[in-house]
Amino acid sequence: QSVLTQPPSVSATPGQKVTISCSGGTSNIGNNYVSWYQQVPGTAPKLIIYDNNKRPSGIPDRFSGSKSGTSATLGITGLQTGDEADYHCGTWDSALDVVVFGGGTKLTVL
Amino acid sequence: EAQLEESGGDLVQPGGSLRLSCAASGFSISKDWMSWVRQAPGKGLEWVANIRQDGKSEYYVDSVKGRFTISRDNAKNSVYLQMNNLRADDTAIYYCAREMWTKHGDFWSGYSDWWGQGTLVTVSS
Repeated sequence: QSVLTQPPSVSATPGQKVTISCSGGTSNIGNNYVSWYQQVPGTAPKLIIYDNNKRPSGIPDRFSGSKSGTSATLGITGLQTGDEADYHCGTWDSALDVVVFGGGTKLTVL
Repeated sequence: EAQLEESGGDLVQPGGSLRLSCAASGFSISKDWMSWVRQAPGKGLEWVANIRQDGKSEYYVDSVKGRFTISRDNAKNSVYLQMNNLRADDTAIYYCAREMWTKHGDFWSGYSDWWGQGTLVTVSS
């Protein structure tokens, strides 16, 4: 059972927009910054959003992040088949003194 | 180009021990927090442990406390994970990652920007 809650799967068609939610509590998302990772099956996770809404160099602006209260959201616009992957949210939990992740969301681009 | 390469994964019996290594290249780990994150088959990511730049502060997830020990050798640009008393639920791909930490007032910003390709640990009789 993950500390952060994500939907197991989402789907959309090429060109559409999709959002993935990540819900937590005051000790994690509510009081710390959130990061997001993209993981193509069989490969290592890749950082795509940090500090709630910042993109590392090389990540297209089709990817965006936001946070409100104890929830965070990853948005992807102009969906491409290459965006098919698992997406994980993560943050520090100040009560547990550990990094916590969501269970991951599988994005299918139909 | 910064790279992390894990090694040491293997098939081990329950109760056994294993030592994972993570060799960094293209950058010096001496200025960075480093961590281990694992992923059981078909499951999400689980953070395991991290270690401060000087090796004098470590954090662990409860499920591995007392069994796993993270360490580092900055001179060898490497990080290690000693795993003892292994259990079937420790079976996973273990990733090494660089962590970046910044405090903004009372809030922590932490994320892993560089990851290795992972090494597979299987605990089974």
